[in-house]
Amino acid sequence: NAGVTQTPKFQVLKTGQSMTLQCAQDMNHEYMSWYRQDPGMGLRLIHYSVGAGITDQGEVPNGYNVSRSTTEDFPLRLLSAAPSQTSVYFCASSYSPGKNSPLHFGNGTRLTVT
Amino acid sequence: GENVEQHPSTLSVQEGDSAVIKCTYSDSASNYFPWYKQELGKGPQLIIDIRSNVGEKKDQRIAVTLNKTAKHFSLHITETQPEDSAVYFCAASNMKTSYDKVIFGPGTSLSVIP
Repeated sequence: NAGVTQTPKFQVLKTGQSMTLQCAQDMNHEYMSWYRQDPGMGLRLIHYSVGAGITDQGEVPNGYNVSRSTTEDFPLRLLSAAPSQTSVYFCASSYSPGKNSPLHFGNGTRLTVT
Repeated sequence: GENVEQHPSTLSVQEGDSAVIKCTYSDSASNYFPWYKQELGKGPQLIIDIRSNVGEKKDQRIAVTLNKTAKHFSLHITETQPEDSAVYFCAASNMKTSYDKVIFGPGTSLSVIP
């Protein structure tokens, strides 16, 4: 049981490049989400999904796309990277939407956009 | 929408002393208040949570209190140890309307000095 796995751990992009941050969970969690962590701003929700085929926007969705084709995977796509997207990205999952189940986080992807 | 404030942003205590972190929330409909601990290079991990129908909850050296009227909740760590050094996040959510859309505070960096 690996929990929530994020890849890569580190990434450097140039402005305008695209990439996909991968997230997979093996706990059969319905809910998955992406957060970005910036100094002094805590964790801000980018996108979330309450099940396969269902996604919705969080607080800061601009510049990011997501899809949920399987229960296990929830990739985050940056179509045209900008320096403002330099951040640490965390994927999280939980057992069931609508219930007070805790979030399980991956260990993060540190992204730098130059 | 919900807004969560957290104080202090940094906290240093001597080993064995107590540490208190305070949070306030804005949405009176919030009903679930988790606390997460983030160690260096890792994702946040749930350490304790409290629901709106409970005023206090304890788990060994950790306790959380909730004042719904004032919209305040606090984390108390007693007999602090060096391994308690980490960043702590409070959070709030309304599970009836927001699924698992958890809003985080900006975090408190706790240092326990041996």
